[in-house]
Amino acid sequence: EAQVTQNPRYLITVTGKKLTVTCSQNMNHEYMSWYRQDPGLGLRQIYYSMNVEVTDKGDVPEGYKVSRKEKRNFPLILESPSPNQTSLYFCASAIREYETQYFGPGTRLLVL
Amino acid sequence: EDQVTQSPEALRLQEGESSSLNCSYTVSGLRGLFWYRQDPGKGPEFLFTLYSAGEEKEKERLKATLTKKESFLHITAPKPEDSATYLCAVNNFNKFYFGSGTKLNVKP
Repeated sequence: EAQVTQNPRYLITVTGKKLTVTCSQNMNHEYMSWYRQDPGLGLRQIYYSMNVEVTDKGDVPEGYKVSRKEKRNFPLILESPSPNQTSLYFCASAIREYETQYFGPGTRLLVL
Repeated sequence: EDQVTQSPEALRLQEGESSSLNCSYTVSGLRGLFWYRQDPGKGPEFLFTLYSAGEEKEKERLKATLTKKESFLHITAPKPEDSATYLCAVNNFNKFYFGSGTKLNVKP
């Protein structure tokens, strides 16, 4: 089944404790992206990747890192999480950057 | 500044009562406009992609249209299972911009 998977689905952590949210797709898509969704603000793009080893900032990249060492995986790293990063995070992938994106199920993060 | 605005924020309809959702956008170079449906606690689910003004696409009770400044999602004779949040997004070169969504509630 073609899909985007994210892990973990739920995470509670404390300020400053490094964490990684994994994202994987099995559709051989070139484009992958991370979003955060907050009430009233909609989905905002954090980082995106056009292909392996090619990543760039979206609208809200501060406090986040990404890497794309393999085509299928695009992890999101929070080196020192803060409470304002409490949010619902979505990973998405697309064949190419201007094509339809397919979303994962989401990761709900709470930073205390 | 690239921006996507959706209206209304919320819409309550009776079953069978047709209506339209609006998505207006300002982007420097539109490469595509996308409509998604999102159910509570789930990831957005793709509905339509539109690439050029004048383009229309249909799927069951939904029809999406595109002009140079806005897109409409028309819902004909909605059913309670159409209740969800509908998101609009635009692609400007490599980036995507989303609106805040329209929360649709269809009462039986």
